[in-house]
Amino acid sequence: ILNVEQSPQSLHVQEGDSTNFTCSFPSSNFYALHWYRWETAKSPEALFVMTLNGDEKKKGRISATLNTKEGYSYLYIKGSQPEDSATYLCASPAWGTDKLIFGTGTRLQVFP
Amino acid sequence: NAGVTQTPKFQVLKTGQSMTLQCAQDMNHEYMSWYRQDPGMGLRLIHYSVGAGITDQGEVPNGYNVSRSTTEDFPLRLLSAAPSQTSVYFCASSFRATSSSPLHFGNGTRLTVT
Repeated sequence: ILNVEQSPQSLHVQEGDSTNFTCSFPSSNFYALHWYRWETAKSPEALFVMTLNGDEKKKGRISATLNTKEGYSYLYIKGSQPEDSATYLCASPAWGTDKLIFGTGTRLQVFP
Repeated sequence: NAGVTQTPKFQVLKTGQSMTLQCAQDMNHEYMSWYRQDPGMGLRLIHYSVGAGITDQGEVPNGYNVSRSTTEDFPLRLLSAAPSQTSVYFCASSFRATSSSPLHFGNGTRLTVT
């Protein structure tokens, strides 16, 4: 089964700080990379789906980049706000299957 | 828009009991899946389906059965509940298989097995 890893496990930042975290996946046989945002007591919500090396996606203050050759994706949050506090998950389908495998997530807490 | 609907929201079972977690989507999505969420383990895939009549195993399928008789419904059956199946279960669907379509999640079912 595909190994999707995320770092750091958790992150505490002050309001206004910019932050970023990493998702690593096997670079061979890459298919696609998903990012989700998961607030406490809610369900995960999709942020981005990226498929091409060099892809960059942006939604408001959140952006993501993709490097399929070296097997990583970065998620950036510019000017973090308390409402950005959530767990951020990445996921990638195992090659040749429709199994979407998730990393264990990065838990972000933004303090006012 | 209803989206992905899971029932029940909470359930307590005794060891050895069976039950079915229901999942329905009204978005005409081809792909449906079940995940379980455990502390420190993230979301782990139990079973998935790429269309009516087609199902396959995920990462942790043991102790669970699924069927997909219609595009809309994807129930998850626990045949003989065990304490290790205490978890939060999420159903999720996407327009197509997962390569380029984001998942839409239900609100989850919190299951406790005593």
